[in-house]
Amino acid sequence: EDQVTQSPEALRLQEGESSSLNCSYTVSGLRGLFWYRQDPGKGPEFLFTLYSAGEEKEKERLKATLTKKESFLHITAPKPEDSATYLCAVRRSADGLTFGKGTHLIIQP
Amino acid sequence: NAGVTQTPKFQVLKTGQSMTLQCAQDMNHNSMYWYRQDPGMGLRLIYYSASEGTTDKGEVPNGYNVSRLNKREFSLRLESAAPSQTSVYFCASSERHTGSITNTEAFFGQGTRLTVV
Repeated sequence: EDQVTQSPEALRLQEGESSSLNCSYTVSGLRGLFWYRQDPGKGPEFLFTLYSAGEEKEKERLKATLTKKESFLHITAPKPEDSATYLCAVRRSADGLTFGKGTHLIIQP
Repeated sequence: NAGVTQTPKFQVLKTGQSMTLQCAQDMNHNSMYWYRQDPGMGLRLIYYSASEGTTDKGEVPNGYNVSRLNKREFSLRLESAAPSQTSVYFCASSERHTGSITNTEAFFGQGTRLTVV
């Protein structure tokens, strides 16, 4: 059974204080690891896809990395507008994505 | 280009009532999905349609039915609503996963917030 575990559940940072979110996964035959951002009352918004260990992708203050067992979402010098819930998901086949429960991130001015 | 559109956005039902949640996508995607999101549980897959003409059960299908009306539209029906079905429902679409592993990220609608009393 595919499993995705995200940590921490919640994280409060000061503006400019860099940190990392963790996503540990167990899946047979990974066909993609996905990061999403979700704002309150909205649907998940796609951020990144990673396919193989060692792969990295960046977008503004966010950088996602992948190993064989986990992925990290690094947030560099965050701003209050980066506050959101960040979701990690894995795909094994055609039958949809398996999601973690998310990390609720708050960036204080 | 609207992406994935869900209707309605909000709904209150009485126990035992039925309703259909509508979803349409304009990205020419082959695969479509219905998820529910509950506090502390994350997003869970209810049903999916890997391609037009096919539907399959996900993790939590009990109490639901789906119809893939055409390539664009995928509806979710609650035949006899129960309070346990109070949730936020999300529809999503993606390219069909085949031997190629690229471009299979899912795009989500804005959700339907359903309360069953």
